[in-house]
Amino acid sequence: NAGVMQNPRHLVRRRGQEARLRCSPMKGHSHVYWYRQLPEEGLKFMVYLQKENIIDESGMPKERFSAEFPKEGPSILRIQQVVRGDSAAYFCASSPRLYEQYFGPGTRLTVT
Amino acid sequence: GENVEQHPSTLSVQEGDSAVIKCTYSDSASNYFPWYKQELGKRPQLIIDIRSNVGEKKDQRIAVTLNKTAKHFSLHITETQPEDSAVYFCAADYYQKVTFGTGTKLQVIP
Repeated sequence: NAGVMQNPRHLVRRRGQEARLRCSPMKGHSHVYWYRQLPEEGLKFMVYLQKENIIDESGMPKERFSAEFPKEGPSILRIQQVVRGDSAAYFCASSPRLYEQYFGPGTRLTVT
Repeated sequence: GENVEQHPSTLSVQEGDSAVIKCTYSDSASNYFPWYKQELGKRPQLIIDIRSNVGEKKDQRIAVTLNKTAKHFSLHITETQPEDSAVYFCAADYYQKVTFGTGTKLQVIP
């Protein structure tokens, strides 16, 4: 059973460009979560999704950020018009039920 | 919302000694408390967890205790080894919204 997959692992964007991060949950997992981690800091909850539904997006900035988990395909975190402050590691996690989140390897976004 | 505080922020122990990391949470509705280990540049890995209906759980050299009344929980690592060196995060789960502590950087000195 493959683990949580994320791609790309590293992403470099210029200010003003769009960043698109993908997350494929573990097989059989229907819950997906996105977190942001700044260097030397903890993980900050951004959004919790189930298939075709956003359950809780209270941790996600209101502007420029959006997330989806379509019926088919990976979950996508989209950041429009990136700024330097968006540089961070973005982790997704999946779980088959309540609790027990398993993390992907992360996408390290660098905005130049 | 939930607030999780974690102490200490750094911890150095001699190999073979025990390490204890403590966390407090604010929302009494939180009912699941996982602990994650994160090595430099790697993903967080779940090492142990405890539900609110349990006071203590042990898995080999790792144990977690939970005091619901005081709203604090602790991670205990016994017989520490150099490979235990990492950043450890506690977390509290409130309706699937997990709030993480700020992390403890554990260094095990050979």
